[in-house]
Amino acid sequence: AQSVTQPDIHITVSEGASLELRCNYSYGATPYLFWYVQSPGQGLQLLLKYFSGDTLVQGIKGFEAEFKRSQSSFNLRKPSVHWSDAAEYFCAVGARTGANNLFFGTGTRLTVIP
Amino acid sequence: KAGVTQTPRYLIKTRGQQVTLSCSPISGHRSVSWYQQTPGQGLQFLFEYFSETQRNKGNFPGRFSGRQFSNSRSEMNVSTLELGDSALYLCASSAGQRGNTIYFGEGSWLTVV
Repeated sequence: AQSVTQPDIHITVSEGASLELRCNYSYGATPYLFWYVQSPGQGLQLLLKYFSGDTLVQGIKGFEAEFKRSQSSFNLRKPSVHWSDAAEYFCAVGARTGANNLFFGTGTRLTVIP
Repeated sequence: KAGVTQTPRYLIKTRGQQVTLSCSPISGHRSVSWYQQTPGQGLQFLFEYFSETQRNKGNFPGRFSGRQFSNSRSEMNVSTLELGDSALYLCASSAGQRGNTIYFGEGSWLTVV
């Protein structure tokens, strides 16, 4: 069965510090992986996605993620966090069937302190 | 081009009533999916429609239903509302093939009292 684990419920970082959000997935084949961000009261905005090819994926807002098949991980990173990055971050894996069916992790809430 | 549009954004219903939510996908997108987001259960897939046909369905009771029209717009309906149906309902659209980017709307906030 497909599943996604985000082990960190809440992370606090200082503005300007680096960030890494963890994501582990369970999937029987090559997965389609996504990172979305959600600000309070808003929908989900796609940060980046991995389908195939280069395992280091660049996204919007200076985020990147690295797909590591051996560790079943797809961690999100940013070298220098801005106060506006405070939000909830969701990792998701695409289902084997269908094109628009995602399994989401429980999310990681990011707090940025000045 | 316009993004995924959901209406209404906020609504309050009473237990036992029914509700219909609407979603207009990005122009040219043929796949629409619906998700429920609650603090306790997180983001859960409800169903996906592609070219007016339900292609996939999540693990929700039959009170939750949907449909898609020929212009790809979609509606979801929840009948006999329960307090536990209070949630943010998100619509997502894509071109419909695996590997296509999936875009989400702002969601419809449903409160059941």
